[in-house]
Amino acid sequence: GAVVSQHPSWVICKSGTSVKIECRSLDFQATTMFWYRQFPKQSLMLMATSNEGSKATYEQGVEKDKFLINHASLTLSTLTVTSAHPEDSSFYICSARGGGGYTFGSGTRLTVV
Amino acid sequence: GQQLNQSPQSMFIQEGEDVSMNCTSSSIFNTWLWYKQEPGEGPVLLIALYKAGELTSNGRLTAQFGITRKDSFLNISASIPSDVGIYFCAGQELGGSNYKLTFGKGTLLTVNP
Repeated sequence: GAVVSQHPSWVICKSGTSVKIECRSLDFQATTMFWYRQFPKQSLMLMATSNEGSKATYEQGVEKDKFLINHASLTLSTLTVTSAHPEDSSFYICSARGGGGYTFGSGTRLTVV
Repeated sequence: GQQLNQSPQSMFIQEGEDVSMNCTSSSIFNTWLWYKQEPGEGPVLLIALYKAGELTSNGRLTAQFGITRKDSFLNISASIPSDVGIYFCAGQELGGSNYKLTFGKGTLLTVNP
């Protein structure tokens, strides 16, 4: 079946630094990739949608200069949290559309100290 | 953005009992998906529904796409301890942009052995 690999699974970084999260579709081409943020005991909140080779579309309230998304190929999308602050600490999950449906990565737990 | 109304929010049941949860929307959806998420992991697809009235099973799980295209339910029969987790419904809205999914707030299932 369709597999999406997300790395790292967890990261701790200092306030003010940047963190990059990778999302790869391993056995299918992802025409569209989605990035979500999830707070404890809450649902997934869509941050942005990206199509290969074009700029990401951000949801209202999401700062595009803070959450940089790159979708350079049909199998790879990256999310970079720039100048991270403690309030950016959260669980980030990617999803890829392709291979017949929507497949989610295993998530990245980001802790900013 | 729009959210689906998912109920119940949580359920505490005994092993062997059947479980039912549902999602409703004010808009028409052309796809309904049911996911299970365990702590620290991304959502895993359980059942996908693509046609109004469709009834699909996956082992002990059964889900239906409502005739009005504004609702869906998921049933779990003869629950076991490993069914514990958060169950999310998700849907793709008819006419929605960029294949975005809308998520319910989740149903937290606890199974007592």
